[in-house]
Amino acid sequence: DIQMTQSPSFVSASVGDRVTITCRASQGSNKWLVWYQQKPGKAPRFLISSASTFQSGVPSRFSGGASGTDFTLTISSLQPEDFATYYCQQADSFPLTFGGGTEVELK
Amino acid sequence: EVQLVESGGGLVQPGESLRLSCTVSGFTFSSYCMHWVRQAPGKGLEWVANIKYDGGEKYYLDSVRGRFTISRDNAKNSLFLQMDSLRPEDTAVYYCARDPGANGNGWYYFDYWGQGTLVSVSS
Repeated sequence: DIQMTQSPSFVSASVGDRVTITCRASQGSNKWLVWYQQKPGKAPRFLISSASTFQSGVPSRFSGGASGTDFTLTISSLQPEDFATYYCQQADSFPLTFGGGTEVELK
Repeated sequence: EVQLVESGGGLVQPGESLRLSCTVSGFTFSSYCMHWVRQAPGKGLEWVANIKYDGGEKYYLDSVRGRFTISRDNAKNSLFLQMDSLRPEDTAVYYCARDPGANGNGWYYFDYWGQGTLVSVSS
């Protein structure tokens, strides 16, 4: 199984800050990696894939990057509605696996 | 508007069974692969099972294979998860989710999610 290591697990940040979350895969080509946002009590929301596919309505301040088996999600200027937990997911092979999550909290 | 609505969750004892349903609208259900994903209380996300658009291929998480069965009824725009021999560690909110891949192999991620249904397994 492909293990996804996501870091950091917790971020304390202010409105306007730039935030970067990293996800590393244990193996494989990992050409497909996807990011989700989840707010408390709500279902996850698809944000962006490593193929730069965005869900409609996702603001342009969210961007994804990739280098080998390392992937990043960057929020260029954190907004109040961005405080949430973010998960990465590899879409290369079964079982599909998620990172442990990164909680972005208001400082 | 794409909508997915799960139902069928509840409190059961270990060893018992439960059948979850997911009714969809707003897209051509018969063209898309579908998934179940779960989230234990206070924990992260865990993929559970996948079914191809025509029901021809299915994949399962190792810990549920042989106990859970994913199925679909394309005429009724419905996805199902039959859960047998339930264990306390199956306690979670179960989400149905659409795969963006249509009319072929899935892309193996989730572009639309339902609101989830809670399954609690406890004696």
